[in-house]
Amino acid sequence: GEDVEQSLFLSVREGDSSVINCTYTDSSSTYLYWYKQEPGAGLQLLTYIFSNMDMKQDQRLTVLLNKKDKHLSLRIADTQTGDSAIYFCAENFSGNTGKLIFGQGTTLQVKP
Amino acid sequence: NAGVMQNPRHLVRRRGQEARLRCSPMKGHSHVYWYRQLPEEGLKFMVYLQKENIIDESGMPKERFSAEFPKEGPSILRIQQVVRGDSAAYFCASSRSDGAYGYTFGSGTRLTVV
Repeated sequence: GEDVEQSLFLSVREGDSSVINCTYTDSSSTYLYWYKQEPGAGLQLLTYIFSNMDMKQDQRLTVLLNKKDKHLSLRIADTQTGDSAIYFCAENFSGNTGKLIFGQGTTLQVKP
Repeated sequence: NAGVMQNPRHLVRRRGQEARLRCSPMKGHSHVYWYRQLPEEGLKFMVYLQKENIIDESGMPKERFSAEFPKEGPSILRIQQVVRGDSAAYFCASSRSDGAYGYTFGSGTRLTVV
């Protein structure tokens, strides 16, 4: 089946860490992605992780992948007001036709 | 590198008219994907095309919607006889091959049907 689930809303204070969670169902997905969408804009690729990795770090971003539980998380360290946006996780569906399955998005609100 | 270019950014159509949405992929990208985002929702896959070929159209509504990616020129998503329920943001993405290194998205076309 094709299903990606995310919590809808997260509020943090500036300077704190944010953790956005995602669960997926297709165990044969090869890549998992995190995208950021600001109001009225397109999607910006933040990072991706290959399915044989457990963790990937890129500056303030840390991605953790638990394949057994089909759980993906994105941690943003030292969250800034400019990080306020909607964050989507997506999996590359195993049919490998280039089809991404997106979660419904998590709105991150960063309070000063 | 101009990235993925979509036009128009905003499109208003009356019910029953046709909507044409254009997408020029990034330079060097030969794979194009169209997604639709309804208000307050995530993106839903519509269609995947390579030059002159539709690879996967499993997300396309059976009627009124069509897509093409000709040998020359942009990819076109065409919606005939639009209805209010077609109002959404339509995003195009492109990739080099199977998207292993990520898909680059355009800024989208926001279609409003009045």
